[in-house]
Amino acid sequence: AQSVTQLDSQVPVFEEAPVELRCNYSSSVSVYLFWYVQYPNQGLQLLLKYLSGSTLVKGINGFEAEFNKSQTSFHLRKPSVHISDTAEYFCAVSEFDNNDMRFGAGTRLTVKP
Amino acid sequence: DTGVSQDPRHKITKRGQNVTFRCDPISEHNRLYWYRQTLGQGPEFLTYFQNEAQLEKSRLLSDRFSAERPKGSFSTLEIQRTEQGDSAMYLCASTPTWDRYGYTFGSGTRLTVV
Repeated sequence: AQSVTQLDSQVPVFEEAPVELRCNYSSSVSVYLFWYVQYPNQGLQLLLKYLSGSTLVKGINGFEAEFNKSQTSFHLRKPSVHISDTAEYFCAVSEFDNNDMRFGAGTRLTVKP
Repeated sequence: DTGVSQDPRHKITKRGQNVTFRCDPISEHNRLYWYRQTLGQGPEFLTYFQNEAQLEKSRLLSDRFSAERPKGSFSTLEIQRTEQGDSAMYLCASTPTWDRYGYTFGSGTRLTVV
């Protein structure tokens, strides 16, 4: 069965600084990978997803992620963060032809002025 | 279409009471999912419908939980004899046939059992 580990529970960063949120997964089969953002008292919004093709995936709000099969990682990056990026970020994995998605515990990104 | 709607947004109930939540997916989405999210954790899969058929249930879904999707439209999640451990955010998501990984999540129902 698939599993996801988000290596940092909290990431504080100053505005306009770059940020990387780390995600590692475990699976014995092919997987699809996702990053979601959750603002307080709201549902999850898809930032980006990797299904196949280029390992560098670009998403909304200037975020991108790189799929690294050998390191089983899917780290999320943004070159310059804004105050409005403060939120909880979740990495998720779904095994090929599975009907559910397994989420990590989340990383709380706090952008300080 | 305004997305996935969940009702109520918040529910406070006494231990032992029954509660029911409703989810209205995006109209053309045939797949519907329920997830539970406890404080400080990511969402955990509960169950999945394709049209009106409930095709998969997590072991997290004890016999106190039941979900339905009559006519393949809206869905309800009922919890009987609530326990304090049921306190969580219950999230609904839907996807269309042509993009099974294109999840659209609702804003959730926050349940507090006192």
